[in-house]
Amino acid sequence: GDSVTQMEGPVTLSEEAFLTINCTYTATGYPSLFWYVQYPGEGLQLLLKATKADDKGSNKGFEATYRKETTSFHLEKGSVQVSDSAVYFCALRPYNNDMRFGAGTRLTVKP
Amino acid sequence: NAGVTQTPKFQVLKTGQSMTLQCAQDMNHNSMYWYRQDPGMGLRLIYYSASEGTTDKGEVPNGYNVSRLNKREFSLRLESAAPSQTSVYFCASTTNRESAVNEQFFGPGTRLTVL
Repeated sequence: GDSVTQMEGPVTLSEEAFLTINCTYTATGYPSLFWYVQYPGEGLQLLLKATKADDKGSNKGFEATYRKETTSFHLEKGSVQVSDSAVYFCALRPYNNDMRFGAGTRLTVKP
Repeated sequence: NAGVTQTPKFQVLKTGQSMTLQCAQDMNHNSMYWYRQDPGMGLRLIYYSASEGTTDKGEVPNGYNVSRLNKREFSLRLESAAPSQTSVYFCASTTNRESAVNEQFFGPGTRLTVL
């Protein structure tokens, strides 16, 4: 079935470091791919999305490219800030079916 | 727009007690969802409602019931709470379940503890 596997955490970085959180997927057809962010005590918020192969989603300095050949959607940011500390979820949504979420990756950024 | 709202924010129950979690959205979305979030397991779908008047089981429906009261409201009921139902519950909505390009919008969550 359709599924998402993302990098296990926790990830701890210093401010201004480069961030990569890996996400790979298994799906039939052409799903849409998403990254959500969850700040402490809050619900999930959409960070970025890509709906077809080679699309790049971007928001708030974060980027991810939909790579069909490697079935990946890795999240990257060039310079993280303390305020980026949160849990990040990779998700896919097949046509006419429901979201599949990864287990989440906790990021802590230290000053 | 308030988006997706949930009540209550926190709840403590004793084993065997019942309760209903409320969810409402003001975005005119057709599809609504209930998830539970447990450490290290991401979000798991409990029930969903593709459109007003319909509900279907998700991945982990046992011990729960739902009601799609109208287009705005989707409630989750625990008839006889068990400690295994201790979790954070999220309601979400989206324009249409059939459209893969649309994201889901989430409420702030209800943190439930069953003693």
